[in-house]
Amino acid sequence: ELKVEQNPLFLSMQEGKNYTIYCNYSTTSDRLYWYRQDPGKSLESLFVLLSNGAVKQEGRLMASLDTKARLSTLHITAAVHDLSATYFCAELYNTDKLIFGTGTRLQVFP
Amino acid sequence: NAGVTQTPKFQVLKTGQSMTLQCAQDMNHEYMSWYRQDPGMGLRLIHYSVGAGITDQGEVPNGYNVSRSTTEDFPLRLLSAAPSQTSVYFCASSYSREALSGYTFGSGTRLTVV
Repeated sequence: ELKVEQNPLFLSMQEGKNYTIYCNYSTTSDRLYWYRQDPGKSLESLFVLLSNGAVKQEGRLMASLDTKARLSTLHITAAVHDLSATYFCAELYNTDKLIFGTGTRLQVFP
Repeated sequence: NAGVTQTPKFQVLKTGQSMTLQCAQDMNHEYMSWYRQDPGMGLRLIHYSVGAGITDQGEVPNGYNVSRSTTEDFPLRLLSAAPSQTSVYFCASSYSREALSGYTFGSGTRLTVV
């Protein structure tokens, strides 16, 4: 069964703290994507990870991919309120289908 | 460069009515797809197309039809709407099926079936 699992599903964190969102997927895919969605809005592409060991960073967010463990992580450094959103990971299965996780809703409070 | 354009943004249908959700992209992307987003379930793939004249089913295709007569357009048809089809629908496109640059999403269509 194709499955992409994210945890935690909900994350409430204080500004300035660090945290990691985990994304486990079920196939041998080497393509993994991270998206951000604000309430009532569309999905914004954050990272495209195309191979084992890929690491990408943008501002306070860093994503990595371990295809052997079928695991991707999204690390948040020194969180700020503007990072509050829902974050989705998605794997590209069989070069045809983008399979999404259920999302992690992040709230950053002062 | 408009990206991926979806119309309408909002729609209310009565059970049994039919309608077409429009999706157009101006980036010469070969790959296009439709997703539905329901609370707590992430996005689920309905149908996709790897090029003009080629379509295939995703995870949840029942109740939906698609066609791809041009590279630019990929409409989604609901033949007989049901309350279970109440959802937010997103169209997405990519330069190729390998998605080396990721996918671009439209702004969504919020559909309510009463």
